[in-house]
Amino acid sequence: NAGVTQTPKFQVLKTGQSMTLQCAQDMNHNSMYWYRQDPGMGLRLIYYSASEGTTDKGEVPNGYNVSRLNKREFSLRLESAAPSQTSVYFCASSEDGRYSPLHFGNGTRLTVT
Amino acid sequence: DQQVKQNSPSLSVQEGRISILNCDYTNSMFDYFLWYKKYPAEGPTFLISISSIKDKNEDGRFTVFLNKSAKHLSLHIVPSQPGDSAVYFCAASGRRDDKIIFGKGTRLHILP
Repeated sequence: NAGVTQTPKFQVLKTGQSMTLQCAQDMNHNSMYWYRQDPGMGLRLIYYSASEGTTDKGEVPNGYNVSRLNKREFSLRLESAAPSQTSVYFCASSEDGRYSPLHFGNGTRLTVT
Repeated sequence: DQQVKQNSPSLSVQEGRISILNCDYTNSMFDYFLWYKKYPAEGPTFLISISSIKDKNEDGRFTVFLNKSAKHLSLHIVPSQPGDSAVYFCAASGRRDDKIIFGKGTRLHILP
């Protein structure tokens, strides 16, 4: 039972490069989320998708775009990476949005030099 | 503006004693609260939740208390065990949208 799978696990980018972080869940959940974790800042919501076909901004959306490709997959794109985007990124899913617990992937550690 | 606050970055508790982790929130629209536990190099895992229609929820060694008038919740772990050493996050969501907002976390150390 895979749960939430994130790829890649690690990535190093140069400033200005672009990349897409992939996330897939196999629990038939409706809602999916992207968070970033930085030291002393906790988990901050970047974007979320309450259901297939919808996406909404979270607390820190600037510099990111998302795509809810289908019910299983929710990708996060950095168009022009900046050092401030160095972070650990977590994808999560929940059965039914805000009143269901989140299931998290194990994260992508991204370094932008 | 921080909507979910965990004001203690760290906490040390003797094994076998009670651990109490605190969380405050500012948004009166929040009506569902959750606690997550995180080990290094892993994603957070769900521990326990509470709806605003309750003031207490219990699951084994874990109990969450909610004081709506004070906009405060706490997680009690009794008795504390070595495997409880981790970072604990408080999270909240509300009627307005599907955002789930987290606090900054509290690192709990269980001392032998």
